[in-house]
Amino acid sequence: QKEVEQNSGPLSVPEGAIASLNCTYSDRVSQSFFWYRQYSGKSPELIMSIYSNGDKEDGRFTAQLNKASQYVSLLIRDSQPSDSATYLCAVRKLTGGGNKLTFGTGTQLKVEL
Amino acid sequence: GAVVSQHPSWVICKSGTSVKIECRSLDFQATTMFWYRQFPKQSLMLMATSNEGSKATYEQGVEKDKFLINHASLTLSTLTVTSAHPEDSSFYICSARDQAGAREQFFGPGTRLTVL
Repeated sequence: QKEVEQNSGPLSVPEGAIASLNCTYSDRVSQSFFWYRQYSGKSPELIMSIYSNGDKEDGRFTAQLNKASQYVSLLIRDSQPSDSATYLCAVRKLTGGGNKLTFGTGTQLKVEL
Repeated sequence: GAVVSQHPSWVICKSGTSVKIECRSLDFQATTMFWYRQFPKQSLMLMATSNEGSKATYEQGVEKDKFLINHASLTLSTLTVTSAHPEDSSFYICSARDQAGAREQFFGPGTRLTVL
């Protein structure tokens, strides 16, 4: 079982719709959760971070965390063509090695006109 | 704030040569820097973690003698790919954390390495 799992997609949504991206993780000691956006040929850009159960909203983005189900999601409201990218879920757990991030393989999002 | 730069942004080299990639934190002091590698259509894979003034910690399967990491100051880490081969062609990305225990990492723009 992969430590962080995402559906690779592509997930296609029409412009203006809500895009829902999901991520599950295997290690219950995971403590911090991040969503990164990565455009083709570019490095990841931090979109959202969430550390406790529940919802966290920032503009058009809402991150949801359910530690009991080991599940974290990202909702993008009013999706725009510029949101088309690969979204990477990353999980951080405290280890002796210094707080490493483990990434999922990413979900490709396509927002269609 | 929290800007990380990398140099060069891309490099093409011949097989057998060595390539150095620099990662700098521009507006903060990075106690820890991370080096990732990303092959096409794949996710980021952590190669090593470096703390200023100490030896880097390499992930399993990453050859420390091939990928030399130096973190000599709080704003600069370098990755040297020694005796590069075509299979080392990849997108190399560094990230930095501004203090011990900080939750977020800030990524550099990446360096595209092509080995002919």
